[in-house]
Amino acid sequence: SAVISQKPSRDICQRGTSLTIQCQVDSQVTMMFWYRQQPGQSLTLIATANQGSEATYESGFVIDKFPISRPNLTFSTLTVSNMSPEDSSIYLCSFMSGRHNEQFFGPGTRLTVL
Amino acid sequence: GNSVTQMEGPVTLSEEAFLTINCTYTATGYPSLFWYVQYPGEGLQLLLKATKADDKGSNKGFEATYRKETTSFHLEKGSVQVSDSAVYFCALQRSSNTGKLIFGQGTTLQVKP
Repeated sequence: SAVISQKPSRDICQRGTSLTIQCQVDSQVTMMFWYRQQPGQSLTLIATANQGSEATYESGFVIDKFPISRPNLTFSTLTVSNMSPEDSSIYLCSFMSGRHNEQFFGPGTRLTVL
Repeated sequence: GNSVTQMEGPVTLSEEAFLTINCTYTATGYPSLFWYVQYPGEGLQLLLKATKADDKGSNKGFEATYRKETTSFHLEKGSVQVSDSAVYFCALQRSSNTGKLIFGQGTTLQVKP
């Protein structure tokens, strides 16, 4: 199966700054996704990253706060803009593959905002 | 709307004990159901899946059966090991076209030697 990686694995940032998280898959995939996992919580879908078009955001998430790029079929970025301590979370990317459209997740980026 | 409810944790068991983690769902139509596992400090791994009623997913000694009549997908293992200590997430996928996964809140399993 395809391998998925994320960079950075963790970061500590100051409030008001922005961080861009990169997600790389070692084969071409149609659908990629970005999730947030707040401390001690479950995963919530932020958006679906579509190649060649704008990302589709879930309720409660907006493009100005979480701009997403998908320049090709193997790569995507998520930016967390104008960060506040409430943005401290693990951010995970995933892709869909397989006969039953299973999702496979990257290792996550652990973000701490001070 | 669509939702997933898991039993609250943590669940603490001794090695070789029987494990059940309850999961029930609310969804229209026929969603696909998944169990994911998150080991300490790692990302999510797909553990098993079932795509239609009465399907049984299995992997690494874990099993779950898709029960439409009770809208449940309980995770079971006959004999747990210390290495099974992790957080387990039940999830549903309403439509394979959108790919969106809806997760339960997660259940922490601690297995003691």
